[in-house]
This record gives sequence, structure tokens and C-alpha cells, in this order.
Amino acid sequence: DQQVKQNSPSLSVQEGRISILNCDYTNSMFDYFLWYKKYPAEGPTFLISISSIKDKNEDGRFTVFLNKSAKHLSLHIVPSQPGDSAVYFCAAIRRNTDKLIFGTGTRLQVFP
Amino acid sequence: DVKVTQSSRYLVKRTGEKVFLECVQDMDHENMFWYRQDPGLGLRLIYFSYDVKMKEKGDIPEGYSVSREKKERFSLILESASTNQTSMYLCASSFSGRSYRGEQPQHFGDGTRLSIL
Repeated sequence: DQQVKQNSPSLSVQEGRISILNCDYTNSMFDYFLWYKKYPAEGPTFLISISSIKDKNEDGRFTVFLNKSAKHLSLHIVPSQPGDSAVYFCAAIRRNTDKLIFGTGTRLQVFP
Repeated sequence: DVKVTQSSRYLVKRTGEKVFLECVQDMDHENMFWYRQDPGLGLRLIYFSYDVKMKEKGDIPEGYSVSREKKERFSLILESASTNQTSMYLCASSFSGRSYRGEQPQHFGDGTRLSIL
């Protein structure tokens, strides 16, 4: 039972354009949502998060949007750079727990 | 800066062996976690610990056990390794009670790629 879903296994974007990575969830008890970025042979690194009481959070080139009614969040990267090429994992935290529930990941490739 | 260190980057073991994966964190985090990452399946939680000598099963605990004798160290044990346990294993740590407020997210080690032959 996949509570956090990333339906696109891969995405290819030209440098300078916008990258949009999507994530859907099924559990309305999730309080926080996070995005992690992972390069090969390295551990995931935290990128950005959003509380369930907000609909947008921005940090430099990265913006996360949350649509609670649709149980959908997205990560926008503008402008995309070749160094952004990595696997991106969406994750959610259930209320009053410290456990993360991860999606299956989307591999982003940014080409020149 | 938080550092989570996994003892081995690559490990090759044989079927039936008892395998130990070690993880150490230097930030006095209460919580420690073990995940495995497989293509198309994302990161799946095996076990976690919220205090010394405390442990809780994650989503896929079968075939694994853990040990937390000291706060900074969390060990994952494959009791009798099998080929379906070939995977990337990731350790993480965090402060207790802060993740779900969006503070201090989990920090990960660089992983151990384990091959069982």
C-alpha cells in the first residue's frame, strides 16, 4: 500500500527551463512533506519542506506547492541546472511521529 | 554539521552469513533509522530506534534485527543473509519530536551497497 506516490520515474528537462516533479499521497494525517535529493553513491540530502497548513514554500530556485484537497504536491526548480540531475524523493510525516514515508523517486536529468 | 557515518561503502557476503552493518552519528540525535533503497521501490524503513536499547519495526523488518547499545551507534543485523537482501542500505538520524514539526529533518549517511552471493 503505497501512501506516497511519484508516478513519473524519470524526467528530462533542458538547462534553464522549469522542472516540475509531482507527488501524490493518500493519508490525510500527514502533517509535513519533504523533498530529498539523491546523487548516485551518496545518501539523500534534505532539500525543502512544507507544512500541511501552507500551500507554498520557497527557497531560492526551489518551490514546493501543496494542494491538500487533491492530496498533491509538486516541486518546481527554476531555472534548472545540470547539477540538479539526481533522483528526487518526496516524503511525508504522519502527525506526532518522526517516521518518514517515502515515494519511489523521480530521476531528473537536466541537459545542456 | 551533522555527520552520519556508515562503516562500509561496499560489502560482499555469502548466502547464510550473519552480516553486521554499522552506523554512527555525532549529533546526539535520539532517533536512528535503517532503510533499504531498491529501484522502483524508493526508500523503505526496516527498523528504527528512538532511544538506547529501544527499537521498533518498520515496514519490512523480516530477516533483520537491530542493536542500539549506545546513543550514537545503531547496527543492522542480517541474521542469515539471502540474495533478496542485496540492496543499498541507508542509515539516518534525527532529533526526537522535531521532524513532524518540520524542524531538523532526518540526516542520512552515504549508504552501504551490500551484495549477497
